[in-house]
Amino acid sequence: NAGVMQNPRHLVRRRGQEARLRCSPMKGHSHVYWYRQLPEEGLKFMVYLQKENIIDESGMPKERFSAEFPKEGPSILRIQQVVRGDSAAYFCASSPDYQETQYFGPGTRLLVL
Amino acid sequence: AQSVTQPDIHITVSEGASLELRCNYSYGATPYLFWYVQSPGQGLQLLLKYFSGDTLVQGIKGFEAEFKRSQSSFNLRKPSVHWSDAAEYFCAVDTSGGGADGLTFGKGTHLIIQP
Repeated sequence: NAGVMQNPRHLVRRRGQEARLRCSPMKGHSHVYWYRQLPEEGLKFMVYLQKENIIDESGMPKERFSAEFPKEGPSILRIQQVVRGDSAAYFCASSPDYQETQYFGPGTRLLVL
Repeated sequence: AQSVTQPDIHITVSEGASLELRCNYSYGATPYLFWYVQSPGQGLQLLLKYFSGDTLVQGIKGFEAEFKRSQSSFNLRKPSVHWSDAAEYFCAVDTSGGGADGLTFGKGTHLIIQP
């Protein structure tokens, strides 16, 4: 059973460009969470999605960031007009249901030049 | 708001020695509690979790943790560490229904193993 998959593993963008991060949950999991890890920090919750629905986006910055989890395909975290402060590791986790254990992907390391 | 404190940023332990990593949380009710481990450049691997029942939980790789409600703590222990245990350890709480729907993490404890 494949685990949570994220791609790309590393992404380099220049200031002002767009970043698209993809997450494929574990088989049978319909709940997806995105977290951001800044250097020397723990992970910070960003958004929680189920298929076609955003359930909780209380941790998402109000501007430039968006997330989706379509009926078909992976979940996408999109960052528009990236700035250097967006440089971080972005992790996706999935779970089979609400309040079930979350399993994490390997992360995408975003570097903004 | 809920919070998780891991008081030790770094811990150095000799190989073969015992280990205890501390975790305290702040939350009005009993949360779901987790310990994850992260190796450099990698994702997080679940070590163990506490939802309810027996307050001493066993995890993978020989780790265990004990939930103490009176102290709001969930400390991680291992009787004898191996060099491969060197990593970053994160304690997390799930307060879904009483707070944000994601996990709240501590800042992590970096474990160094001395030969």
